[in-house]
Formats: sequence, C-alpha cells, structure tokens
Amino acid sequence: ETGVTQSPTHLIKTRGQQVTLRCSSQSGHNTVSWYQQALGQGPQFIFQYYREEENGRGNFPPRFSGLQFPNYSSELNVNALELDDSALYLCASSLQTGANEQFFGPGTRLTVL
Amino acid sequence: KQEVTQIPAALSVPEGENLVLNCSFTDSAIYNLQWFRQDPGKGLTSLLLIQSSQREQTSGRLNASLDKSSGRSTLYIAASQPGDSATYLCAVTNSGGSNYKLTFGKGTLLTVNP
Repeated sequence: ETGVTQSPTHLIKTRGQQVTLRCSSQSGHNTVSWYQQALGQGPQFIFQYYREEENGRGNFPPRFSGLQFPNYSSELNVNALELDDSALYLCASSLQTGANEQFFGPGTRLTVL
Repeated sequence: KQEVTQIPAALSVPEGENLVLNCSFTDSAIYNLQWFRQDPGKGLTSLLLIQSSQREQTSGRLNASLDKSSGRSTLYIAASQPGDSATYLCAVTNSGGSNYKLTFGKGTLLTVNP
C-alpha cells in the first residue's frame, strides 16, 4: 500500500509569483485535505477536496485554490505569493470525508523571498 | 471556535523517564482526538486516535487518555528513549458541520537526553 506522497520537497519562489504543489493520496482514499504549517506553529486547515469538489475551507484568501483529479490526486495553487506564505504545506488523505482518520504526507517546504 | 492548547511548549528529560504531555480543547463537542509525532521539517506520523466514546488508547510505550467533558487529553510515554525526541501534536475533529478538518495545537517539543 502506497502512502501519501507530495512534490516537490522544497521550493523557493519570489514575492508575487505563483506556485503549484502536488499530492498523491493513499491507495483507496478519495478525500484530500491541505494544511499550512508556519514555523513553530501547528498546522492550519486550508481546504478539503472530496470526489473532485471542494468540501470545506479554512480562513485562507481566494488566492489559495485547489483541484482534485479523477484519480484523487490533488494540487494546491497559490497566486501572488507573499512572504508570510513561507511554510510547510502538508497534504493528508482519508477514506471518506467526515471525521475519518487522516494520513499525512511528508510535506513541501515553500520559501518566499 | 475550537482552540487547542498544549502544555508544556517544550520538555527536556533524561533517558528512561516516564513523561506526560497535555492537551486541552475549548469545545467538548468533538468526534475524535489524534496525537501525532513530527520530526524536524517532516510530515506528521499518527500515533494514536481516540474516538469520543473512548477513554484511552494504547500503543506500545504510548498511552493516550481522553476526558471529553473537561476538554482534556494526555499522552503518557513510558521509559523514554532518545529516539522519542520530536514535536508531539494534538488535534481534534469537531462533531457537526465542520467535521472534515483537524484543529491542531502548537505542539510540545520533546528532547530525551542520553
């Protein structure tokens, strides 16, 4: 059974640029959630995708957007990058939406200069 | 709004000690609570998941308890080892409309000294 994978591992961008992060869910999982973890903080929920539809969203501006594909992999897109977007971005997959156990990937470290 | 607090923020102990990490949450209407381990710059590894109807869960040297009515959970680590050094995060899933997301505390940074 393959776990959750994320790419790239590290990324450096400059302010104002756009970035796309990718996540492959664990085999058999149809739900993907994205979290942002700033240094020294706990992860903050960005949004969740269930069967290719956004199922819930945290307190993040519209420049954070996402997609889920028919194979349940997912992308997180961030436009007009700001310095405060520098963080570890974590993807988690689960069997279904709702209060199901979430399994996390290794994360993508984004640095905005 | 659910808020999760973890105390202490950091803890340093000698190898072999038993220790307790604390987690509290403001809204007791939770579906479950999870404890995670995070190594520096890495993703999260799930340690224990406690459903709201349960009082505790055990895995090896780890034991997690849940007192939903008082909004508290503890993670007990027995006979600590240097390999246990990591940040430990507590997260809750609320029952009701926002049951799709985890709300995390800031974590406890544990250092076990040889």
